[in-house]
Amino acid sequence: AQSVTQPDIHITVSEGASLELRCNYSYGATPYLFWYVQSPGQGLQLLLKYFSGDTLVQGIKGFEAEFKRSQSSFNLRKPSVHWSDAAEYFCAVGGAGTASKLTFGTGTRLQVTL
Amino acid sequence: GAVVSQHPSWVICKSGTSVKIECRSLDFQATTMFWYRQFPKQSLMLMATSNEGSKATYEQGVEKDKFLINHASLTLSTLTVTSAHPEDSSFYICSALTSGRSYNEQFFGPGTRLTVL
Repeated sequence: AQSVTQPDIHITVSEGASLELRCNYSYGATPYLFWYVQSPGQGLQLLLKYFSGDTLVQGIKGFEAEFKRSQSSFNLRKPSVHWSDAAEYFCAVGGAGTASKLTFGTGTRLQVTL
Repeated sequence: GAVVSQHPSWVICKSGTSVKIECRSLDFQATTMFWYRQFPKQSLMLMATSNEGSKATYEQGVEKDKFLINHASLTLSTLTVTSAHPEDSSFYICSALTSGRSYNEQFFGPGTRLTVL
């Protein structure tokens, strides 16, 4: 069975500081990995995704993530956080196939202090 | 492209009534749509997978008679919460699957907040 662990429930960073959100996954085959952001009361917006190839992927809003197969991790990073980045961040794993289900982590709530 | 809408964005209903939530893919055809439920400050839990023209596949523990899903066209899926009760209050999110790319990717709707009084 596939699963995702986001060990940090809540993270607070100062504006301008760097950010790293952790994600560990369990998947029996080659994983397809995603990071989504959710603002309060809103749906999900895709930040970035990894399917294959370069293990460092760039996303929107200055985010990047690195796939490390040996560690079963897909951590999200941003070099300088903006106050508008405060939101809930979800890591998800899926697989190949025409109707692949996504399994989400429990999310990390990011608070940004000014 | 790949926009998914949901209607209504929020709804309040009385206990015992039924509520229908629509999920539409606006600029693409979605052969598969997913319905998720999200409790406050929790993750998304997949409720069911619906394929156009066939019966939905429900996840374990989801009552199919309570959460009726219809996927009658390639751009519309509906979720009807029948005889709603306060414990059904939640945030319901749909997603639609695109095809024809290297990976069949889900695009998410903005969600519907259901409050049952």
